[in-house]
Amino acid sequence: DVKVTQSSRYLVKRTGEKVFLECVQDMDHENMFWYRQDPGLGLRLIYFSYDVKMKEKGDIPEGYSVSREKKERFSLILESASTNQTSMYLCASSLSGQGLYEQYFGPGTRLTVT
Amino acid sequence: DQQVKQNSPSLSVQEGRISILNCDYTNSMFDYFLWYKKYPAEGPTFLISISSIKDKNEDGRFTVFLNKSAKHLSLHIVPSQPGDSAVYFCAASVRRIQGAQKLVFGQGTRLTINP
Repeated sequence: DVKVTQSSRYLVKRTGEKVFLECVQDMDHENMFWYRQDPGLGLRLIYFSYDVKMKEKGDIPEGYSVSREKKERFSLILESASTNQTSMYLCASSLSGQGLYEQYFGPGTRLTVT
Repeated sequence: DQQVKQNSPSLSVQEGRISILNCDYTNSMFDYFLWYKKYPAEGPTFLISISSIKDKNEDGRFTVFLNKSAKHLSLHIVPSQPGDSAVYFCAASVRRIQGAQKLVFGQGTRLTINP
């Protein structure tokens, strides 16, 4: 079974703080993704990575950065947290290649920025 | 601009009846579609998928129908069970030759199965 774990289930941070969200997958997947889930908006892609040290912007990258130093680990960084970044953050991973679409998700981190 | 839309935020169905969840898309380049199910405090889990070359895919109680001309897909659950109560997300993808296959998600529909 694919296992995707996220470092925290719940996190409370103050405005302006630097925030790190960590994600680890144990299935040797090439691709990793960060989404945020907000009511009425579904899941929106922030950033993704298709290889170590490689990254690509998703649909809403502003205010975020990412780091992938090892294949199994993908970090999402909020450089200066703001209240509009209060959300559920979901990490996912997938295999690379044509016809391989299924993504496996972690349990999510609910981040509150006060 | 929402490329994948689930226009019903919620749906309530009696146990044993059919649940029909709908999804519309605007990008005609989408060639693969997936449904995910999400329980509270858990990540989404893959449920069923369909390629654009098909119009129907079935897996047990779950069937997905694709109408390409209408840019519409639906998920049928028969018979509905209380454990099916969850939020369902529709997702779509444009095939990329290399690299990650990105998914575009709809807003989700909360399905409640009443005993």
